[in-house]
Amino acid sequence: QKEVEQDPGPLSVPEGAIVSLNCTYSNSAFQYFMWYRQYSRKGPELLMYTYSSGNKEDGRFTAQVDKSSKYISLFIRDSQPSDSATYLCAMRNSGGSNYKLTFGKGTLLTVNP
Amino acid sequence: GAVVSQHPSWVICKSGTSVKIECRSLDFQATTMFWYRQFPKQSLMLMATSNEGSKATYEQGVEKDKFLINHASLTLSTLTVTSAHPEDSSFYICSAPDSASNQPQHFGDGTRLSIL
Repeated sequence: QKEVEQDPGPLSVPEGAIVSLNCTYSNSAFQYFMWYRQYSRKGPELLMYTYSSGNKEDGRFTAQVDKSSKYISLFIRDSQPSDSATYLCAMRNSGGSNYKLTFGKGTLLTVNP
Repeated sequence: GAVVSQHPSWVICKSGTSVKIECRSLDFQATTMFWYRQFPKQSLMLMATSNEGSKATYEQGVEKDKFLINHASLTLSTLTVTSAHPEDSSFYICSAPDSASNQPQHFGDGTRLSIL
């Protein structure tokens, strides 16, 4: 079993739809959870950053972490064509920000106008 | 917010050439930087951890003599692909966390390396 599992998709939705992206993980030491958005031929851009369990909202984006289930989610409301990208979940333990991240494979999302 | 600058963004060169890629933290100090390699439609693969003032730590299977890393200051790490061959063609990305805070890593925009 891989440390982080993420469905690679592709996922195609109409504009305005609510998008749900998910990752599961096996390492209970993970404490910090991130979602990155990556456009083609660009570096990943940080979208959401959460510590331990709970919800965090930023505009159209909501991140959820359920440590008891080892499951994290990213919701995108009112999706736009500009949201079309690959979404990567990433996580690390509590040892400090210099610790390396463990990534999911990424989910390719296309929002159709 | 924290910004990481990577240069060049795209390089094409002949087989046998050595190529240097720079990664800079622009508004924070980074005692640690990470170098990744990404193949098309794949996730990021960590190559090495660059430590300011000391030797880099390489992941299993990454040739340290092939991919030379230097982290000479708190804002600059370089990756040199020595004697590059077509199989080294890939997208290379660096990242850096802000050492003074517990903030997440920020990534550079990547370098697309094409070896002819």
